[in-house]
Amino acid sequence: KAGVTQTPRYLIKTRGQQVTLSCSPISGHRSVSWYQQTPGQGLQFLFEYFSETQRNKGNFPGRFSGRQFSNSRSEMNVSTLELGDSALYLCASSLVLAGKDTQYFGPGTRLTVL
Amino acid sequence: QQQVKQSPQSLIVQKGGISIINCAYENTAFDYFPWYQQFPGKGPALLIAIRPDVSEKKEGRFTISFNKSAKQFSLHIMDSQPGDSATYFCAAGYGQNFVFGPGTRLSVLP
Repeated sequence: KAGVTQTPRYLIKTRGQQVTLSCSPISGHRSVSWYQQTPGQGLQFLFEYFSETQRNKGNFPGRFSGRQFSNSRSEMNVSTLELGDSALYLCASSLVLAGKDTQYFGPGTRLTVL
Repeated sequence: QQQVKQSPQSLIVQKGGISIINCAYENTAFDYFPWYQQFPGKGPALLIAIRPDVSEKKEGRFTISFNKSAKQFSLHIMDSQPGDSATYFCAAGYGQNFVFGPGTRLSVLP
């Protein structure tokens, strides 16, 4: 079974631009979570989608948004990019069954904001 | 209450030694405690996980010890190998709400 895939793997943007990242979960997984990873702040939860609905949201500004499609694929959008948005953005998918809440991570998208 | 504390920040162990990483949580609603291993340039990969109804879980060289009353859990890596050199994250979660520790950078010397 294929793992979580994220595209693109690397991205360079300039301040003020916007960016869209994509995540395809493991087949059959209906929950997709997004995380931001930086050396200073570690892994921080952005939001989680299940059946096209955002169920949980972390403490990030409204410039960070996401959506999930009917095939469970998810996109994350960051508008008006700031230098501090440079990070590894990780997507994780989960089956969401009782006793099987394990999240499986993709390789991440490395975003650099210049 | 959502914080997960992890120590040490970095750890150097000789090949064949035991690596021990500790984590502590505050929110008693957490009911799932996974450990992830991350190599540079890769996403975190699930290593081993435990639920609070057991005090210990072992998978190969990796063991989680869980102390529910103290709200602490730890990862033990027996017979540590240079290939184990990576960053390790503990996490605590309920449902799809996960909080991660800051990570421990493990270096295993040959």
